[in-house]
Amino acid sequence: EAGVTQSPTHLIKTRGQQVTLRCSPISGHTSVYWYQQALGLGLQFLLWYDEGEERNRGNFPPRFSGRQFPNYSSELNVNALELEDSALYLCASSLASYGYTFGSGTRLTVV
Amino acid sequence: GNSVTQMEGPVTLSEEAFLTINCTYTATGYPSLFWYVQYPGEGLQLLLKATKADDKGSNKGFEATYRKETTSFHLEKGSVQVSDSAVYFCALTPNQAGTALIFGKGTTLSVSS
Repeated sequence: EAGVTQSPTHLIKTRGQQVTLRCSPISGHTSVYWYQQALGLGLQFLLWYDEGEERNRGNFPPRFSGRQFPNYSSELNVNALELEDSALYLCASSLASYGYTFGSGTRLTVV
Repeated sequence: GNSVTQMEGPVTLSEEAFLTINCTYTATGYPSLFWYVQYPGEGLQLLLKATKADDKGSNKGFEATYRKETTSFHLEKGSVQVSDSAVYFCALTPNQAGTALIFGKGTTLSVSS
């Protein structure tokens, strides 16, 4: 069984640019969660999608957004990038909010 | 609100030493509790979990017992190996609609031979 896959694995962007990160959940999992892991700040919850709808979001500004597609894959979009957005972005999937499986993450560097 | 507090690291041990990483939580209702591990350069892997009071989760020699009376879920291992060097995260899910996994800040473990 394929795990949660994220792309790209690494990218570098300039301050003010926009970025899109992608996540494919485990087959059969309908929920996708996004987390930000910034240096020294631990894992911060960003967004939760289930059955194509946003179910909850963490304490992040509106320039962090996303969506979930009919095949349950998901995109995370970050507009107007700031230096402090540099972090590892982790995606997890689950079925019915239990048994989360994480991907390997996308490391974003904003310069 | 819901939160998880872990002991601050780094924790530095010699091979075969006993490991304890403390974790306490605050939650409404009856949460499920987890330990995740993150090896260098990788994502998170579920290490063990417990879903109700007095449950003991175990995996790869690691154990943790869900203690409702002390709101704790301490991680233990009797004899650590160099390959256990990683960051360990305690987490909970409140089992309420609209809530996701809530993590502690993580504890870095470094084991030397």
